[in-house]
Amino acid sequence: EDQVTQSPEALRLQEGESSSLNCSYTVSGLRGLFWYRQDPGKGPEFLFTLYSAGEEKEKERLKATLTKKESFLHITAPKPEDSATYLCAVRSGNTPLVFGKGTRLSVIA
Amino acid sequence: DTGVSQDPRHKITKRGQNVTFRCDPISEHNRLYWYRQTLGQGPEFLTYFQNEAQLEKSRLLSDRFSAERPKGSFSTLEIQRTEQGDSAMYLCASSFPGTTNEKLFFGSGTQLSVL
Repeated sequence: EDQVTQSPEALRLQEGESSSLNCSYTVSGLRGLFWYRQDPGKGPEFLFTLYSAGEEKEKERLKATLTKKESFLHITAPKPEDSATYLCAVRSGNTPLVFGKGTRLSVIA
Repeated sequence: DTGVSQDPRHKITKRGQNVTFRCDPISEHNRLYWYRQTLGQGPEFLTYFQNEAQLEKSRLLSDRFSAERPKGSFSTLEIQRTEQGDSAMYLCASSFPGTTNEKLFFGSGTQLSVL
């Protein structure tokens, strides 16, 4: 059974204080690892897909990386508007996405 | 708006009542998913359709839950004899499969509160 574990559960940063979120996964044949952002009361919003170890994707202050066992979402010089829950999900074979519990990020001005 | 649309946004019901939610996917997407999310948890898969065919159902989906997608367009999720444990955000997502990057586009969800 596919499993996704995210850490930390919650993270509080000062504006400009860079950090990383972790997503550890166990799957039988990774077909994609997905990062989503979710604001309160809204559905998840797609950020990145990673397919193979060593792959990296960037978008503004966010950079996602992938190894054979985990993925990191690096946040450089975050701003208050980056505050949200960040969800990691995996797909193996033709199965639907399996999500982790997410990391709640708060960026304080 | 060309995104995934869900209706209603909020639903408050009494235990034992039936409720129905609607999801309108992005028009060119032929795959539609239902997920459920409770506070502090990630979305949990319930069921999905490709066109009008329901291809997979989770073990989480008790026989009180039924989903339909007539004509492969919009979908409805019905919960019969609601229980307090059904209180959650019900999320709908759609995608266009068969690409190397099948990403799900989510709606804003229906927040269900069972009193």
